[in-house]
Amino acid sequence: KAGVTQTPRYLIKTRGQQVTLSCSPISGHRSVSWYQQTPGQGLQFLFEYFSETQRNKGNFPGRFSGRQFSNSRSEMNVSTLELGDSALYLCASSLVGGGDTQYFGPGTRLTVL
Amino acid sequence: AQRVTQPEKLLSVFKGAPVELKCNYSYSGSPELFWYVQYSRQRLQLLLRHISRESIKGFTADLNKGETSFHLKKPFAQEEDSAMYYCALTGPGGYNKLIFGAGTRLAVHP
Repeated sequence: KAGVTQTPRYLIKTRGQQVTLSCSPISGHRSVSWYQQTPGQGLQFLFEYFSETQRNKGNFPGRFSGRQFSNSRSEMNVSTLELGDSALYLCASSLVGGGDTQYFGPGTRLTVL
Repeated sequence: AQRVTQPEKLLSVFKGAPVELKCNYSYSGSPELFWYVQYSRQRLQLLLRHISRESIKGFTADLNKGETSFHLKKPFAQEEDSAMYYCALTGPGGYNKLIFGAGTRLAVHP
């Protein structure tokens, strides 16, 4: 099976812009979670989608949003980018949840100038 | 508040030496605990979880509820064990919301 894929792998944006990141889960997986990884804060949970519904949400401002499509692919959007949004954004997929192993993608490296 | 603490940023050992990566947690309830590993230039991947009680690549971890710890151990380190190790637990809302520790880099020297 192909693993979790994320596009693009690298992005450079300027402050105030918005960005959309994409995640394609492993075939058959219905849950997609997003994490932000920074040197200062480490790995932090953003949100999780299951069957096109947000099931869990982390402690991030409303500028961070996401959605999931009927084929389980997910996107996350960050509006009005700030310098502090520079990070590696990881997505992970799992079959359903409730104890299923999460499989991580390679991440999208976002740099905000 | 739910929190995972990994007190060591770097653990440096020689090949064949025992390894113990420490993890302490704070959680009001019964957590599900995990160890994730990231080898150089590879993705973050699950190493083991406490409910499985498995030994993966020679690593084991025991949940100690009294000390709220979930330390990762291996009796004889190998050079290929060099990686970043993250302890994590499930936060409120279910298994797919992971709370990670800051991570410990394990360096195994020949």
